[in-house]
Amino acid sequence: DGGITQSPKYLFRKEGQNVTLSCEQNLNHDAMYWYRQDPGQGLRLIYYSQIVNDFQKGDIAEGYSVSREKKESFPLTVTSAQKNPTAFYLCASDTGAGPFNEQFFGPGTRLTVL
Amino acid sequence: EDQVTQSPEALRLQEGESSSLNCSYTVSGLRGLFWYRQDPGKGPEFLFTLYSAGEEKEKERLKATLTKKESFLHITAPKPEDSATYLCAVLETSGSRLTFGEGTQLTVNP
Repeated sequence: DGGITQSPKYLFRKEGQNVTLSCEQNLNHDAMYWYRQDPGQGLRLIYYSQIVNDFQKGDIAEGYSVSREKKESFPLTVTSAQKNPTAFYLCASDTGAGPFNEQFFGPGTRLTVL
Repeated sequence: EDQVTQSPEALRLQEGESSSLNCSYTVSGLRGLFWYRQDPGKGPEFLFTLYSAGEEKEKERLKATLTKKESFLHITAPKPEDSATYLCAVLETSGSRLTFGEGTQLTVNP
């Protein structure tokens, strides 16, 4: 079955530590996205990538970094520079072209800073 | 700047009590409007895409409609399993990314 996987489901981090969230898709999608969701709020875009080896900042990129070395993978690193990292992180992908830009989402990773 | 506003923030219904959720948007040109359903602790699940004013789409008890300024998600005779947060998002004609509203949290009581 095609889909998007995120790991881990739950992640705990001590202050000052960097952590990396995994996102893998086997949908053969060109574009991938990282969103952050806080309680009672919508999705805010962190970073997105429309093609391998290229990515763009979203609305809240400060304190985060990404890489896109393979089409299937788009890991997100939450650095110690991110002041309030506790949130629910969602990865998504779509075909990146044409009118049918339906984004498909992974199950999410809940990050808690201790 | 694209703006998407959803109302109400929360809606509580009795089972069988029909209602509508609203998504109003401001974009220079609409390429598509998307509705998603999100259950607690899970990723959003795609429901509908609407492309032009006057378009309607249906799925079970849900019906989505689109005008030039807003979209409605009509829920007919809802059941408790329809309880979720419903998210609306828009894609601008010249854009490559979605802009999401803050969602409407729907609770359907038995």
